[in-house]
Amino acid sequence: GEDVEQSLFLSVREGDSSVINCTYTDSSSTYLYWYKQEPGAGLQLLTYIFSNMDMKQDQRLTVLLNKKDKHLSLRIADTQTGDSAIYFCAATDSWGKLQFGAGTQVVVTP
Amino acid sequence: EAQVTQNPRYLITVTGKKLTVTCSQNMNHEYMSWYRQDPGLGLRQIYYSMNVEVTDKGDVPEGYKVSRKEKRNFPLILESPSPNQTSLYFCASSSASSSSYEQYFGPGTRLTVT
Repeated sequence: GEDVEQSLFLSVREGDSSVINCTYTDSSSTYLYWYKQEPGAGLQLLTYIFSNMDMKQDQRLTVLLNKKDKHLSLRIADTQTGDSAIYFCAATDSWGKLQFGAGTQVVVTP
Repeated sequence: EAQVTQNPRYLITVTGKKLTVTCSQNMNHEYMSWYRQDPGLGLRQIYYSMNVEVTDKGDVPEGYKVSRKEKRNFPLILESPSPNQTSLYFCASSSASSSSYEQYFGPGTRLTVT
């Protein structure tokens, strides 16, 4: 089955760019997602990318997909304190089922 | 407002006392699922349902039951809770006609079993 891995922690200064990385194993994954979880809240879909795309940009968010290496990244430009959260990478497996990574805790320092 | 609701949000119970966590969505979604979130493990799927009266096991179904008698509701039942079921639980739903499989999540239920 699909295995999704991501680093567990990232500290970044306010105003800098954040880059969160993720790897997955199922080469047939159709969609790859980034979800954001703020303290005490559920998961909120930030953005997603279809597997035939290399890049997707949405305001301060840039998603890069390297299908050959099965590597996905999320770049947040001009990181703000409100960006402090847990970010989950997720991928659909060949059955369309969503598999999540363990989550990356992003801490933004002034 | 389109949403997924869960009740209760917080629950402390004792080992062996049956409990039900309710989940309801108002988006007419066919697909619903339950996840548990544990530190360092991300979200793991417990059960899912493709439509009314159609349910199937996810990755960690042991100790849980579900039912889908109506399209909008998908309760999670713990017949005899144990301390290893202490976790944060999320219900999610999505539309079968969605091309991106986007799932909408409830706010979560924090369960403590003593």
